[in-house]
Amino acid sequence: LAKTTQPISMDSYEGQEVNITCSHNNIATNDYITWYQQFPSQGPRFIIQGYKTKVTNEVASLFIPADRKSSTLSLPRVSLSDTAVYYCLVGPASGGGADGLTFGKGTHLIIQP
Amino acid sequence: GAGVSQSPRYKVAKRGQDVALRCDPISGHVSLFWYQQALGQGPEFLTYFQNEAQLDKSGLPSDRFFAERPEGSVSTLKIQRTQQEDSAVYLCASSTLAGGSTDTQYFGPGTRLTVL
Repeated sequence: LAKTTQPISMDSYEGQEVNITCSHNNIATNDYITWYQQFPSQGPRFIIQGYKTKVTNEVASLFIPADRKSSTLSLPRVSLSDTAVYYCLVGPASGGGADGLTFGKGTHLIIQP
Repeated sequence: GAGVSQSPRYKVAKRGQDVALRCDPISGHVSLFWYQQALGQGPEFLTYFQNEAQLDKSGLPSDRFFAERPEGSVSTLKIQRTQQEDSAVYLCASSTLAGGSTDTQYFGPGTRLTVL
């Protein structure tokens, strides 16, 4: 399984764009990159997923360079409610069990007013 | 619609007691996962069901941990002879398809277990 590395914590301010980068040097050809968000006392929630280039939804964008050895989650114009832990996961599309289900410690994002 | 629910939300047990944690997944979801989350850590995989079949239990930390999903819907995680190191939040997640990282997991709020 590809191992991921993320910063332990990040700080930013309301209205700013925040970029969280995840390193996954050993990503396999059939691996996808998925990001989850977790608020205190809640379970993680899916944010975005991608394979290559750029993916955008109503919440975030995901940038994946051509070599796919890293990915960047971009949160536009953050607010205080974006304070949470963000997890990067890497794993194959198909198959059951624990493939792609290693959450790591995540990045604790703190947004200040 | 209804999401994943877990009960109880909080459980306090004395060391040595047995506990049972319940998960009600989203109706019709094929896959069900259990995770353990220690304070300040990310969720760690415990076990995976596809319908009623337990296909992966590689994450269960010891034989004191047992999970079942007899009818392919509700699941129970049982911990026998609880120890203090079992104190954690236990998360349940379900997904539509038969696993895989592209299949979005929907998590419940978790059960916080404290073993005294």
